[in-house]
Amino acid sequence: GESVGLHLPTLSVQEGDNSIINCAYSNSASDYFIWYKQESGKGPQFIIDIRSNMDKRQGQRVTVLLNKTVKHLSLQIAATQPGDSAVYFCAENTPRGGYALNFGKGTSLLVTP
Amino acid sequence: DTEVTQTPKHLVMGMTNKKSLKCEQHMGHRAMYWYKQKAKKPPELMFVYSYEKLSINESVPSRFSPECPNSSLLNLHLHALQPEDSALYLCASSQAHRRANEQFFGPGTRLTVL
Repeated sequence: GESVGLHLPTLSVQEGDNSIINCAYSNSASDYFIWYKQESGKGPQFIIDIRSNMDKRQGQRVTVLLNKTVKHLSLQIAATQPGDSAVYFCAENTPRGGYALNFGKGTSLLVTP
Repeated sequence: DTEVTQTPKHLVMGMTNKKSLKCEQHMGHRAMYWYKQKAKKPPELMFVYSYEKLSINESVPSRFSPECPNSSLLNLHLHALQPEDSALYLCASSQAHRRANEQFFGPGTRLTVL
């Protein structure tokens, strides 16, 4: 089965609000996680990453939280803008016959004015 | 240059055709990847090249044949494809095929098999 999953397939937020996208993983050996943003017709774009020795990492308007106890990570987007509308994937980097990325199902974020 | 480029952007081919997808990066990355992405699905790994050698083949059918001529180029040769192979094919690269590596993705090639 799939190791990385997302709780909500779609999320609709109003412009200016904060967004939270969640992701669960099942492989306790996962030690590196990445959030990607994919706009329609484009390849995934790196947003932020976090290693398993950290609980929180902040970027510009984005924060990733990692809870290893419950194998959960989240992406928080502050002051969501229309340009944030996209599909967001979490991905884990595990030694699954090599260090390739295993992507979760994705959450579609729609920002309404 | 922090870009991964892919050509062509779109490709339509018949089931008897032979075509190739191309990927290029000039970031000095030594690991390169092919992913397949169906609509509304996450990318699925197909192949990984590490230092120009094939290190992972995710049980991909032989009608897909990867090639890494040098550290900057990655090709995917297509032959006798099926309509269900229609998808977005993504190329990615990373500094090396090891843990804790950000992968940079190209824009993809949208493939339609008739």
